[in-house]
Amino acid sequence: SYELTQPPSVSVSPGQTARITCSGDALSKQYTYWYQQKPGQAPLLVIFKTSQRPSGVPERLSASSSGTTATLTIRGVQAEDEADYFCQSADSSGNHVVFGGGTKLTVL
Amino acid sequence: QVQLVESGGGVVQPGRSLRLSCAASGFTLSRNAMHWVRQAPGKGLEWVASISYDGSRKYYADSVKGRFTISRDNSKHALYLQMNSLRREDTAVYYCAREPPNRFGELFWYFDLWGRGTLLTVSP
Repeated sequence: SYELTQPPSVSVSPGQTARITCSGDALSKQYTYWYQQKPGQAPLLVIFKTSQRPSGVPERLSASSSGTTATLTIRGVQAEDEADYFCQSADSSGNHVVFGGGTKLTVL
Repeated sequence: QVQLVESGGGVVQPGRSLRLSCAASGFTLSRNAMHWVRQAPGKGLEWVASISYDGSRKYYADSVKGRFTISRDNSKHALYLQMNSLRREDTAVYYCAREPPNRFGELFWYFDLWGRGTLLTVSP
């Protein structure tokens, strides 16, 4: 079965830059999506179609992809960015959804 | 207000059945493919099932295929998940999720609106 791999945790100090990676073979062919989930809340879409930001998402969040690795970048990290971040894509057949295991971002 | 509200969760014994519902409001449900995604306690997200805007196409994760059935009633602004032969490992918060409208009818396979979820606990 197809998998997306994320680091379990990333820690940064306020004002620094956080980078969260997501690796998977199909990422070279499929879009990557990113969701932010805070404790007790539903996930929130923060990046769609690999690098596009929905309205209302701060510009300090950005994303890109190269080969089989996608990266979510948060510049000038703030306390409110502390959350779990999940990447998501479709498998090579294009009709199954796959999530990464999630990365807990801690703001020190 | 644009929102999705799930209901129907609860505690059920292994082997039993349950149906989850998702009520959509503030947008025209018939324009959107819809999905169910679940999250076991303390774990990550797991896609469960998807249905096209008109209900003609349905897709399932291997872990639930043959046991769960996704359906929708656009006239009632509702999405459903019929769950049979429930197992302990089905214990999770179940989220209803919408994807953006697609005038060509194909699925985008991502989620721009989520409900708050409903908790299913499968336990003897």
